[in-house]
Amino acid sequence: GNSVTQMEGPVTLSEEAFLTINCTYTATGYPSLFWYVQYPGEGLQLLLKATKADDKGSNKGFEATYRKETTSFHLEKGSVQVSDSAVYFCALNSNSGYALNFGKGTSLLVTP
Amino acid sequence: NAGVTQTPKFQVLKTGQSMTLQCAQDMNHNSMYWYRQDPGMGLRLIYYSASEGTTDKGEVPNGYNVSRLNKREFSLRLESAAPSQTSVYFCASSKGTENYGYTFGSGTRLTVV
Repeated sequence: GNSVTQMEGPVTLSEEAFLTINCTYTATGYPSLFWYVQYPGEGLQLLLKATKADDKGSNKGFEATYRKETTSFHLEKGSVQVSDSAVYFCALNSNSGYALNFGKGTSLLVTP
Repeated sequence: NAGVTQTPKFQVLKTGQSMTLQCAQDMNHNSMYWYRQDPGMGLRLIYYSASEGTTDKGEVPNGYNVSRLNKREFSLRLESAAPSQTSVYFCASSKGTENYGYTFGSGTRLTVV
């Protein structure tokens, strides 16, 4: 079946540090891949997505590249801000599936 | 610009009580979903509705029922609440079931005592 594995958190970084959150997946077919962000007390918001191999999704300084050869979709940001503190979820939607499969989430805390 | 609206935001139930969580979207989306979020478990799909008039079970449907009342509304019912159903419930909608991002509501925090 389809599944997503994310690195365990929490991740604590200083402001302006480089961020990587690892995400790997198992899926049938050619899935679409997503990163969602959840700020405290809120619902999830779509951060970026990629629908085919080698696509790069980007938004608000965050990037992730769909790597079919390594079945990965790692989230990166060159310089994090305190306002980036949130929980980040990797998700996939297999072309033969019916709904998004989410990873367990990675909590990020950015300190001044 | 409401998006997905969930009610109520908070609820405390006693074991055995019933309640319905309401969800409505104003984006003319075809598909709607109910997820629960538990610490260390991520989001797990309870039920979904690919289009108006259809509903299907997700990963964790036991103890729940759903109704797709019309294209806008998708409700989740707990017939006899149990402490194991203490969770944060999220409703989401999308244009379709493939390749589309979801729009989430702000969640309902349910405690069953």
